[in-house]
Amino acid sequence: EAGVVQSPRYKIIEKKQPVAFWCNPISGHNTLYWYLQNLGQGPELLIRYENEEAVDDSQLPKDRFSAERLKGVDSTLKIQPAELGDSAVYLCASSLGGLRGKYNEQFFGPGTRLTVL
Amino acid sequence: DQQVKQNSPSLSVQEGRISILNCDYTNSMFDYFLWYKKYPAEGPTFLISISSIKDKNEDGRFTVFLNKSAKHLSLHIVPSQPGDSAVYFCAASAGSTGNQFYFGTGTSLTVIP
Repeated sequence: EAGVVQSPRYKIIEKKQPVAFWCNPISGHNTLYWYLQNLGQGPELLIRYENEEAVDDSQLPKDRFSAERLKGVDSTLKIQPAELGDSAVYLCASSLGGLRGKYNEQFFGPGTRLTVL
Repeated sequence: DQQVKQNSPSLSVQEGRISILNCDYTNSMFDYFLWYKKYPAEGPTFLISISSIKDKNEDGRFTVFLNKSAKHLSLHIVPSQPGDSAVYFCAASAGSTGNQFYFGTGTSLTVIP
């Protein structure tokens, strides 16, 4: 079974440039997460989707970040324009999702390491 | 505000000995806890979990202990092996927020051969 796929693995851009990350979750997983991980820190949730609906985007800096999951499968996270402080690893994860109160293990992709110069 | 804390950034253990990784949390609504393991340049992988209705869960060499009154959990690895060298993250979730997990800052474990 294929795991969570992310691309690109590495991205180097200059500040003020746009950048996009792509994630394909495990087949059948309804819940998709985007996390930000700074060096020496744990993953921090940016946005969570249940199918195509963003159910938690409270931590997403909406002035420059946007995300979509149009068909409830793969997802794109965009930053425009990028700032120096956006340099980090962007992780995508997926889980079966479903019932309130039912916990599901999250499967993570390898992440995209973004460097903003 | 960090709701899940791992106060030891690193830990070194001799091969064959026990590794004990600690995690503290502040939110009394958390009722499900997980440990993830992360190798460099890879995403975290699930290791073991525990529900608040239990105080211990064991899976092979890995055991997680939960002390709800102290809001503390720990991961025991015994015996430790060089392949266990990785960063370990503790994560917690509350039933009211469903599948939202809060992660600690991680502990880097080095098992010395």
